[in-house]
Amino acid sequence: GNSVTQMEGPVTLSEEAFLTINCTYTATGYPSLFWYVQYPGEGLQLLLKATKADDKGSNKGFEATYRKETTSFHLEKGSVQVSDSAVYFCALRGGNYQLIWGAGTKLIIKP
Amino acid sequence: DADVTQTPRNRITKTGKRIMLECSQTKGHDRMYWYRQDPGLGLRLIYYSFDVKDINKGEISDGYSVSRQAQAKFSLSLESAIPNQTALYFCATSATGEYNEQFFGPGTRLTVL
Repeated sequence: GNSVTQMEGPVTLSEEAFLTINCTYTATGYPSLFWYVQYPGEGLQLLLKATKADDKGSNKGFEATYRKETTSFHLEKGSVQVSDSAVYFCALRGGNYQLIWGAGTKLIIKP
Repeated sequence: DADVTQTPRNRITKTGKRIMLECSQTKGHDRMYWYRQDPGLGLRLIYYSFDVKDINKGEISDGYSVSRQAQAKFSLSLESAIPNQTALYFCATSATGEYNEQFFGPGTRLTVL
C-alpha cells in the first residue's frame, strides 16, 4: 500500500544553515506530493506541493522536487530562520483523495 | 476570523464518558475530515465526508462516530472514551477537486483519564 517515510527528528540547526528534510514514498502510480508545516499550537498548513514527476514546488524559500526515479520529495531551504522552527509533514494523495502522512519531522532553529 | 474552527480546544475527561468534538468551517467546502495526531505517528484519518449525505470510515474509525449536520459542520463523537484515545484531534476541509489542499483547524487536545 501507499506509505510515506520521513527522516526522524528533531533536526537542530543554527540560523542561516542549509536545511534538508528527507521524504521517500511508496505508491502505485504517480501520486501528488505535499509538504505541510505545523507551527507550535497551530493546525497544519500547506507549504508546497507537486503534482507530477520532475515538478518543483516552492514557497517561502522552501523547495522540493518530485523525483520518481528515487521516489523522493526532499524539502530544502538555503538559509533557515528561527521562525522556521516547526514540525514538517510529508504527504501523498492516495486513493479516494485521502492524504497519507509521514510521521513528521520537528525542526529547531537556534539563533 | 478563522476559516476552520474547532471546539473545545482542550478537554479532559474520564474513561467511559461520551465526548463530542465539533468542527465548523466558513470556506464553503464540501469535503471535511477528522484526523488524530499522536507523537511519532503523523496524522491518521478517522472519518471523512465528501458531502452532507456521504460519510466514510478512515484508517482508524473504531471507537468513533461522526455526524455531518450541514455542509459547514462535522462533529466527531467518542461514545465511551478510553485512555488510548488521548490525542490531538484535527478537523480539515477541502474543496472538490483532485489537487485541492486541505485546510486545518487549530486542533482539540483531548485527555482521557
